[in-house]
Amino acid sequence: NAGVTQTPKFQVLKTGQSMTLQCAQDMNHEYMSWYRQDPGMGLRLIHYSVGAGITDQGEVPNGYNVSRSTTEDFPLRLLSAAPSQTSVYFCASSRAPRGTDTQYFGPGTRLTVL
Amino acid sequence: GIQVEQSPPDLILQEGANSTLRCNFSDSVNNLQWFHQNPWGQLINLFYIPSGTKQNGRLSATTVATERYSLLYISSSQTTDSGVYFCAVPLTGNQFYFGTGTSLTVIP
Repeated sequence: NAGVTQTPKFQVLKTGQSMTLQCAQDMNHEYMSWYRQDPGMGLRLIHYSVGAGITDQGEVPNGYNVSRSTTEDFPLRLLSAAPSQTSVYFCASSRAPRGTDTQYFGPGTRLTVL
Repeated sequence: GIQVEQSPPDLILQEGANSTLRCNFSDSVNNLQWFHQNPWGQLINLFYIPSGTKQNGRLSATTVATERYSLLYISSSQTTDSGVYFCAVPLTGNQFYFGTGTSLTVIP
């Protein structure tokens, strides 16, 4: 299994540009999440999904959209990038909800918005 | 909202030393996980520990849910233990709330 994969690893955007961060998992997990990690801080939840076709907002959803058309993929879209969205983005998946099973994280995408 | 506090924020150890990291949480939770983020940024789950004690090699964790804290023990530390250790508690759905972490540096 490849586990959780994320692309790209690094990205530089200009203010106002849009882009999609890709996340895929091959473990047939129902539960997937997107987090951002700012320097010196823990992870904050952006959006999450409890299955294909079902998504919900986390702690810091503004400026981001998600969709879940398949079990495997959970892309994160930045609609109009802002410098405040400079961060490292992690995708995670798990088999069960409410933290009752191990969360597996992707390697992260380091995003810089100029 | 729930508060998750970790201590100490920073820790420097000589290789071979033991350490205890603490995670306090403000509300009742039915489980808790510990993660290690290595210096290259990769996050690895260490323990899923709603209560009691678990051991995995040189690492062990104890959660006392009734008193709202969890401890992570690292024995005979190695340089590869360096990184940031996070505890996280689940909220609704599949949401996790992460603490701010303990940054550990093990020097040879």
